[in-house]
Amino acid sequence: EAGVAQSPRYKIIEKRQSVAFWCNPISGHATLYWYQQILGQGPKLLIQFQNNGVVDDSQLPKDRFSAERLKGVDSTLKIQPAKLEDSAVYLCASSLDPRPRSEQYFGPGTRLTVT
Amino acid sequence: DAKTTQPTSMDCAEGRAANLPCNHSTISGNEYVYWYRQIHSQGPQYIIHGLKNNETNEMASLIITEDRKSSTLILPHATLRDTAVYYCIVRVGGSARQLTFGSGTQLTVLP
Repeated sequence: EAGVAQSPRYKIIEKRQSVAFWCNPISGHATLYWYQQILGQGPKLLIQFQNNGVVDDSQLPKDRFSAERLKGVDSTLKIQPAKLEDSAVYLCASSLDPRPRSEQYFGPGTRLTVT
Repeated sequence: DAKTTQPTSMDCAEGRAANLPCNHSTISGNEYVYWYRQIHSQGPQYIIHGLKNNETNEMASLIITEDRKSSTLILPHATLRDTAVYYCIVRVGGSARQLTFGSGTQLTVLP
């Protein structure tokens, strides 16, 4: 089966610019996650969707970050405006459902560099 | 979710068993133990999970102590491709809550 797809793989922008990332989860997976991974740290959840509804966005910096999953399939994560500390890898993951037995499958990530 | 403690790094000889420990002394009865790994420049990969019984799959074995305060992930015959950061995570069963990753253990398999 095809895995979680993300694009772009790499992005370099200047601070105060805007950027958007795209994620296509595994077909049939209802739950979608966006994580931020700063160099040398483990991934940190930003937002979790169940179908097209938000389950948890408690760690999303809502003043600059936004995410949507309009039709319950693909998702986009946007940063506007970007700051230097947003430099990180942004990982998208999906699972069949949110239960503990349901494995999360991760995409390759988008490496963002803010200069 | 309970906090976990893992060594920062470990080495293992190729072909030997790699035993990765994890302490989760504050784990509660409904929390599962999960292991994921992250190979350099890739997204994390699920390995195995368990509640209180030992578990085995094609990738690894998970040994959980009787008091459930610690566990060990065993890669029976480590290869160079097993070099990665290994994350031990505990998560409440039946909950929609997300995985909380710590810093993990950098396992380096040496030729």
